[in-house]
Amino acid sequence: EAQVTQNPRYLITVTGKKLTVTCSQNMNHEYMSWYRQDPGLGLRQIYYSMNVEVTDKGDVPEGYKVSRKEKRNFPLILESPSPNQTSLYFCASTLGARGEQFFGPGTRLTVL
Amino acid sequence: LAKTTQPISMDSYEGQEVNITCSHNNIATNDYITWYQQFPSQGPRFIIQGYKTKVTNEVASLFIPADRKSSTLSLPRVSLSDTAVYYCLVGGALMDTGRRALTFGSGTRLQVQP
Repeated sequence: EAQVTQNPRYLITVTGKKLTVTCSQNMNHEYMSWYRQDPGLGLRQIYYSMNVEVTDKGDVPEGYKVSRKEKRNFPLILESPSPNQTSLYFCASTLGARGEQFFGPGTRLTVL
Repeated sequence: LAKTTQPISMDSYEGQEVNITCSHNNIATNDYITWYQQFPSQGPRFIIQGYKTKVTNEVASLFIPADRKSSTLSLPRVSLSDTAVYYCLVGGALMDTGRRALTFGSGTRLQVQP
């Protein structure tokens, strides 16, 4: 089954404790993105990747890092999380930047 | 990046046609317009995509005028299960800087009543 998976689905952590949210897709898609979703603000793109070893900033990259060492995986790294990064995070993949995006189920992160 | 504007919310009744408009005044020449549907606690789901004029699929139509500065998602004969948030997404063009970012609108919350 074609899908995008994210782990963990829920995470509560404390300020400054490094964390990684994993994202994996099984569709051989080139383009992958991370979004955060906050009430009243819709979805905002954090980082995207057009292919292996090719990543770039989206609209709200501050405080986040990503890597794309393999085509299927696109982890989101928070080196030193802060409370303003409490949010719902979605990973998505698509064959090209214009194509249909397939979204993961979301990761709800709370930073205390 | 193309900035998009949508109404915050809309109400409708079952069986009616619903039209949701998105404004995107600075859309780039190569940008596409895509609409997504999102239910609570789920990731967005693709509805329809277009570049210009009209596109229709089994669930919706998308109308894009010649100047492409706006687009309208049309949902024929909505049902209660169409209650969701609808997002307009503009982007995908390879910018002069080499970037290919995507910008979602803030979403329109559609409430369908019996």
